[in-house]
Amino acid sequence: DQQVKQNSPSLSVQEGRISILNCDYTNSMFDYFLWYKKYPAEGPTFLISISSIKDKNEDGRFTVFLNKSAKHLSLHIVPSQPGDSAVYFCAASAAGTGTASKLTFGTGTRLQVTL
Amino acid sequence: NAGVTQTPKFRILKIGQSMTLQCTQDMNHNYMYWYRQDPGMGLKLIYYSVGAGITDKGEVPNGYNVSRSTTEDFPLRLELAAPSQTSVYFCASRKPGQGTAGYTFGSGTRLTVV
Repeated sequence: DQQVKQNSPSLSVQEGRISILNCDYTNSMFDYFLWYKKYPAEGPTFLISISSIKDKNEDGRFTVFLNKSAKHLSLHIVPSQPGDSAVYFCAASAAGTGTASKLTFGTGTRLQVTL
Repeated sequence: NAGVTQTPKFRILKIGQSMTLQCTQDMNHNYMYWYRQDPGMGLKLIYYSVGAGITDKGEVPNGYNVSRSTTEDFPLRLELAAPSQTSVYFCASRKPGQGTAGYTFGSGTRLTVV
């Protein structure tokens, strides 16, 4: 049962253009969503997050949009740069005692930014 | 500041062998986690700990054991290695109050069971 889904395994975008990575979730208890970036042979690193009480969060070139009614979030990267080439994981967590803020991850989208 | 350190980086095991994946963090984080990532899949939680002496199962705990005798260390034990345990293992830690954005991951251990 994949509670967090990233249906696009890969995405190729030209340098300077917008990259849009999508993520869907099924668990209504999720109230915090994150994007992680992963380079080969490294661990994931935190990129940006959004709480369920917001519908948008922006940090420099990165913006995350949340549509709670559709259980959908997206990451926009503008403008895309070659250094953005990596695997991007969507993750979610649920608040509440006993959860220890465990993360549920999607399967990842490999972004390639071409020159 | 080393962060989260995992050893070894690579290992090949034969079926039935055992090994311990080491994880150490120097940030005084209470929460620690073990995840595995299979090819083309997301990370799945194996075990986690909210403090020394306290551990709990995650989504895929079968075939693994953990212990947490100190705040710094959270080793993952494989007792009878099976091909299904071929994966990349990530250890992570987090400080309470930082929220899930406060996760710090190690660089991973790539394990192959043959």
